[in-house]
Amino acid sequence: SQQGEEDPQALSIQEGENATMNCSYKTSINNLQWYRQNSGRGLVHLILIRSNEREKHSGRLRVTLDTSKKSSSLLITASRAADTASYFCASGPPGYSTLTFGKGTMLLVSP
Amino acid sequence: EAQVTQNPRYLITVTGKKLTVTCSQNMNHEYMSWYRQDPGLGLRQIYYSMNVEVTDKGDVPEGYKVSRKEKRNFPLILESPSPNQTSLYFCASSLVGDRGYGYTFGSGTRLTVV
Repeated sequence: SQQGEEDPQALSIQEGENATMNCSYKTSINNLQWYRQNSGRGLVHLILIRSNEREKHSGRLRVTLDTSKKSSSLLITASRAADTASYFCASGPPGYSTLTFGKGTMLLVSP
Repeated sequence: EAQVTQNPRYLITVTGKKLTVTCSQNMNHEYMSWYRQDPGLGLRQIYYSMNVEVTDKGDVPEGYKVSRKEKRNFPLILESPSPNQTSLYFCASSLVGDRGYGYTFGSGTRLTVV
């Protein structure tokens, strides 16, 4: 079952610009997480936002959560070429540890 | 270093030849899970385990088996692999709790079944 869906599917920007990715989910959640995947490699956990939180920051990352709209956004500020990767949102229902991942947004940051 | 270790990294096998992909974590995590990743389909969960001797099916369990005899290990078994199981496989682990924890992923196993 597909819980999260990212938008857009692909995003191409220049270094220094901000990148915004969105995620929508279907059912109530315990928390929502964002992951990064460099080509063909394992996913790396970036940030977790709990259902009672609205915004969270970590370095150049800013995540928002709107539970009324069942949506989240990930903002990467001042993008770098090294940010080129696929970004996935993942969420799970309350009381469970299992996560369902979206299909991801491919971000290309050009020098 | 805290990590999830998968082996092998790459595997080419023939249809019907049983294989096992190993997964081991050194973080004392209760929860472990297997995913497969295919183009256009994203990550789909195969099996997961909440603790030793506790396993459950994910979204695409057909053709796979798992076992959790020890906390650190969670092998994925393909009894009779078929070409449609050609995929990139990931093992992941995390702590268990109501507030949720992030997953730590292995580096992946690229499996080709011919």
